[in-house]
Amino acid sequence: DAKTTQPTSMDCAEGRAANLPCNHSTISGNEYVYWYRQIHSQGPQYIIHGLKNNETNEMASLIITEDRKSSTLILPHATLRDTAVYYCIVILPGAQKLVFGQGTRLTINP
Amino acid sequence: GAVVSQHPSWVICKSGTSVKIECRSLDFQATTMFWYRQFPKQSLMLMATSNEGSKATYEQGVEKDKFLINHASLTLSTLTVTSAHPEDSSFYICSAGGGSGRDEQYFGPGTRLTVT
Repeated sequence: DAKTTQPTSMDCAEGRAANLPCNHSTISGNEYVYWYRQIHSQGPQYIIHGLKNNETNEMASLIITEDRKSSTLILPHATLRDTAVYYCIVILPGAQKLVFGQGTRLTINP
Repeated sequence: GAVVSQHPSWVICKSGTSVKIECRSLDFQATTMFWYRQFPKQSLMLMATSNEGSKATYEQGVEKDKFLINHASLTLSTLTVTSAHPEDSSFYICSAGGGSGRDEQYFGPGTRLTVT
């Protein structure tokens, strides 16, 4: 699976959009980009995933660049409850096994 | 969405004893479940892949005789930490696929194990 690079930490003001970048320059053509988050002392939570096209669900939007070498997770109106560590993971379909990097620690400030 | 539960949510045990942690998929069947361990301020580390009806697959460096995994049904996997030591104190988390060919994983709330 391709390696991902994320900033160690980010801050965002409550009510603003939080944009979390992820670099995956070695991604292969059939690997998906998945995002999970882990709120303190809880199990991780699936957020969204995509292959090529931008995706949106009730939690977030995922923007994948045309060359697929990077992506951005967007939380459109961040709340204090969005404070968590966000993990970007690249994985082949059906592979299931997830390898977690260090992720981005996002802090939403009031 | 798919729900995964774990029991207990936290446990304290004495050194040398064994502890069993249960992981259940509540509203879907999971032929494969995963067990992770997380130490403070660190990321999740995959310990093993639990396969229903067959032996678990352990990651390199994880002692299979110490961390016994049983996946007896499509909705239940158990992790038993045998002869626990203080260094086994950690946050143990299980996950399962979403079922119906979905690739996203759904995680349990975790079990905090403290060995005294």
